[in-house]
Amino acid sequence: AQSVAQPEDQVNVAEGNPLTVKCTYSVSGNPYLFWYVQYPNRGLQFLLKYITGDNLVKGSYGFEAEFNKSQTSFHLKKPSALVSDSALYFCAVRDPDPGGYQKVTFGTGTKLQVIP
Amino acid sequence: GAGVSQTPSNKVTEKGKYVELRCDPISGHTALYWYRQSLGQGPEFLIYFQGTGAADDSGLPNDRFFAVRPEGSVSTLKIQRTERGDSAVYLCASSSGLAGSTDTQYFGPGTRLTVL
Repeated sequence: AQSVAQPEDQVNVAEGNPLTVKCTYSVSGNPYLFWYVQYPNRGLQFLLKYITGDNLVKGSYGFEAEFNKSQTSFHLKKPSALVSDSALYFCAVRDPDPGGYQKVTFGTGTKLQVIP
Repeated sequence: GAGVSQTPSNKVTEKGKYVELRCDPISGHTALYWYRQSLGQGPEFLIYFQGTGAADDSGLPNDRFFAVRPEGSVSTLKIQRTERGDSAVYLCASSSGLAGSTDTQYFGPGTRLTVL
């Protein structure tokens, strides 16, 4: 069965500093990996995804994520954090099946707090 | 175009009552998903529709939960004899549903259900 782990419940970072939100996954084949962000009382917003190709994926709002197959990780990064980045971040994994549907499994989320 | 919309945004009901939660997906999206998100948790899969049919309802917790999508667009999640443990945010997502695509899911703002 596929699974996702987000080992940190909360990450605190000073404004202007680089940030990293960690994610590791377990899946039988080559994964599809996603990051979503959730602001208070809002639904999840898609940030970026890894399907294949370049291990460094760039997404919305200056975020990027690095796929590392040997470490089964897909950490979310941003070079310079903004206070407005403070939110809940979810990593998700899907076992790809080009011919059909595969369930997406979400992690438990990491709260990012950017301190002014 | 417009994103995924959900109504109502908040629903308070009494234990034992029946509730309906509505989801209006992105126009043209054939795939629709319902998730439940409890406090401090990631979205938990409930059911997936491809068109009008429920392709995977393995996440529905019990037979009090039911969902329909009669015309392949709007979907309604129905909960009978509500229990306090049903209190959560119910999220709806849609995706293109195209075979062979990565099928990124786009989420609505959610319905916060409180069972007293």
